[in-house]
Amino acid sequence: GESVGLHLPTLSVQEGDNSIINCAYSNSASDYFIWYKQESGKGPQFIIDIRSNMDKRQGQRVTVLLNKTVKHLSLQIAATQPGDSAVYFCAETRDDKIIFGKGTRLHILP
Amino acid sequence: GAGVSQSPSNKVTEKGKDVELRCDPISGHTALYWYRQSLGQGLEFLIYFQGNSAPDKSGLPSDRFSAERTGGSVSTLTIQRTQQEDSAVYLCASSLVRTYEQYFGPGTRLTVT
Repeated sequence: GESVGLHLPTLSVQEGDNSIINCAYSNSASDYFIWYKQESGKGPQFIIDIRSNMDKRQGQRVTVLLNKTVKHLSLQIAATQPGDSAVYFCAETRDDKIIFGKGTRLHILP
Repeated sequence: GAGVSQSPSNKVTEKGKDVELRCDPISGHTALYWYRQSLGQGLEFLIYFQGNSAPDKSGLPSDRFSAERTGGSVSTLTIQRTQQEDSAVYLCASSLVRTYEQYFGPGTRLTVT
C-alpha cells in the first residue's frame, strides 16, 4: 500500500515463513523493474531485477513476479531469516533513470 | 575491491550556509546518480551522470542544488543557502553503462539547523 508521511508500510513475518512484498508501479513503458534492500544505516543493495518481457525470475531464495496487466510487482523471499529484516524498495526504469517506490519495512518475528 | 564512498558521513550546518557532498564511485563505473532520502521515505532522484553526456538534472528540486563530475569519476553535490527542508540523507550510486544494478554508498546525513 501507499506510505503516508513518515510511516512505511510494514510486513511482519515469522522467521522461517515466506515473505511476499508487493509494489504497484505507474509507468507501463518501463523496461526493467528492480528490487533493492536497505538495512538500517546503509545504502540500498541490489537484490534482483526483471525485464518487462518476463513475468517471473528467480534468484537465491528470492523470486520476483511481474504482472503487467495490473502493473504489479512482487518480491517473494523464501524461508525468511533475521538478516532479511530491512526496508525493501521496488524501482522502475524511466528515461534511463531508476525511479524508486516508497518502500516496505520487513519485520521478522522470532 | 572498494565500493562507493561518500564524505562526509555526517554534516551539520546552519541555515543559509553552502555545503558540498562528495562521492567516489566504483572505478570503471560510467554512470553516477545522486538521490535524496528523507526520514522514513523512499529515494528521490536528483541527478544522473553518464560518461561524457550532459547530466540529467531533472530531479534537482531548486537552483540551489548543483552537481558536477570531474574526469568521469568523483562527483560533488553542492547545496547553496541551505534550508531546513534540505535535511536528509544524500545517497550516491554508480553502475556500469546500460545496467541497472546500482551500487550505493553509505550516504551523507545532512542536518540543517
